[in-house]
Amino acid sequence: AQKITQTQPGMFVQEKEAVTLDCTYDTSDPSYGLFWYKQPSSGEMIFLIYQGSYDQQNATEGRYSLNFQKARKSANLVISASQLGDSAMYFCAMMETSYDKVIFGPGTSLSVIP
Amino acid sequence: DAGVTQSPTHLIKTRGQQVTLRCSPISGHKSVSWYQQVLGQGPQFIFQYYEKEERGRGNFPDRFSARQFPNYSSELNVNALLLGDSALYLCASSLGSGLPDHEQYFGPGTRLTVT
Repeated sequence: AQKITQTQPGMFVQEKEAVTLDCTYDTSDPSYGLFWYKQPSSGEMIFLIYQGSYDQQNATEGRYSLNFQKARKSANLVISASQLGDSAMYFCAMMETSYDKVIFGPGTSLSVIP
Repeated sequence: DAGVTQSPTHLIKTRGQQVTLRCSPISGHKSVSWYQQVLGQGPQFIFQYYEKEERGRGNFPDRFSARQFPNYSSELNVNALLLGDSALYLCASSLGSGLPDHEQYFGPGTRLTVT
């Protein structure tokens, strides 16, 4: 069963606007971590933000914030004030404490329009 | 501080050959993970090593093996290469193996092409 779902294969956003990238996950482990990564066309995977399942507050890192809704098993990434350099693939990922591995979703391609 | 480094950057091999990919983690990081990313897909977990011991293994055949050295660098070996092994191989390092020390930082990857 697919553990990470990203239902938006491609997204467009106007420069300076905010955009939300969706991610839902499936786990029975009460302790887990959720990650978002950015992969530009150069191929390097860039860590953006982390949310632990027991964290009380939503994670934020600069223009990135994670909208964590535990009951819905959702961990959406919000990018505020989009920039042209934000155009890239974005991957949601999860690690369960029961398993020493990180599972990635299929990704969302974001294009920022001038 | 230097980030995660991987070598070589690109590699072309023939079916049936063997390949070794190398990874050096960020200084102070003791865990290394390997991923295979086929074009158009998300990375697929292959192995995780922590303190020179295998801590996790993904659904890959026994042709794939890895090891971690005392300086925490790592090698990924793939034997009897198939066309389907063509992919970007990513190495990631982290402080530890469990949450929350498992924030991973990735290297630039090795692009393997099997002909």
